[in-house]
Amino acid sequence: EPEVTQTPSHQVTQMGQEVILRCVPISNHLYFYWYRQILGQKVEFLVSFYNNEISEKSEIFDDQFSVERPDGSNFTLKIRSTKLEDSAMYFCASTWVLDTEAFFGQGTRLTVV
Amino acid sequence: AQSVTQPDIHITVSEGASLELRCNYSYGATPYLFWYVQSPGQGLQLLLKYFSGDTLVQGIKGFEAEFKRSQSSFNLRKPSVHWSDAAEYFCAVSGGTGGGNKLTFGTGTQLKVEL
Repeated sequence: EPEVTQTPSHQVTQMGQEVILRCVPISNHLYFYWYRQILGQKVEFLVSFYNNEISEKSEIFDDQFSVERPDGSNFTLKIRSTKLEDSAMYFCASTWVLDTEAFFGQGTRLTVV
Repeated sequence: AQSVTQPDIHITVSEGASLELRCNYSYGATPYLFWYVQSPGQGLQLLLKYFSGDTLVQGIKGFEAEFKRSQSSFNLRKPSVHWSDAAEYFCAVSGGTGGGNKLTFGTGTQLKVEL
C-alpha cells in the first residue's frame, strides 16, 4: 500500500539553527500539506501546496517557515531559525485531488534545545 | 471558521464493551468529516470518512460513525472494543466541496482499554 514517508523520525536542534524536514508524498498525489502537533495539543494545519505554490497557510506559518518541492518526489518544510516553541511533531500529508482523504506520514518529532 | 469539539479527553472501557466517542463540529455548509487514530509513536491513520450519502459510514477495524446534521455531530462507535484499540482518536473536518482540503482537528480523545 502506498504511503507517505517522512525523514528523519526525530531531530534535535539548537535554538536558532535551521532545520529541514523531508517528506515523500504518495507518488500520484497532487496536494501536499504540513501539520504540527505540539505535545498535548491538537493537530494544527500549517500549509497546503499545489502546483508548486502555496495554496493556503495558517497564521502559524510565518516568515520563518518555507516549503518546497525541489524535485518530483520530495516535499520539504524549512524552519529558518528555530525557537523553543517550534518543538512539536510535524506531519506531512498528501491527497490525490481536492475533496479526498489525506494520507499522513509517521511524523518527525522536532526538539529544539 | 470551522471547528471541532471532542468533549471527552480520556475514556476508559473494558475489553469487549461498546464504545462511543463524541465529536461535534461547526461549519457553515455540509462538511467533510473524518476520524483518525494515532497509536503511540505512529502517524495518523484514517478510520473512516463522510462526504455525502448514507449518514452511517463504516470504516476499518470494525468502527462506524453516524453523521447527524441536526446535532452537528459525527460520533464514532464500535460494538466491542479490543485491547489493540487503545490509542488517541481525532475527529476532523474539512471544508466540503470547494471548501478546500485543510483539516481542522479536535483535541483528541485518549482511549484506554482495560483487560
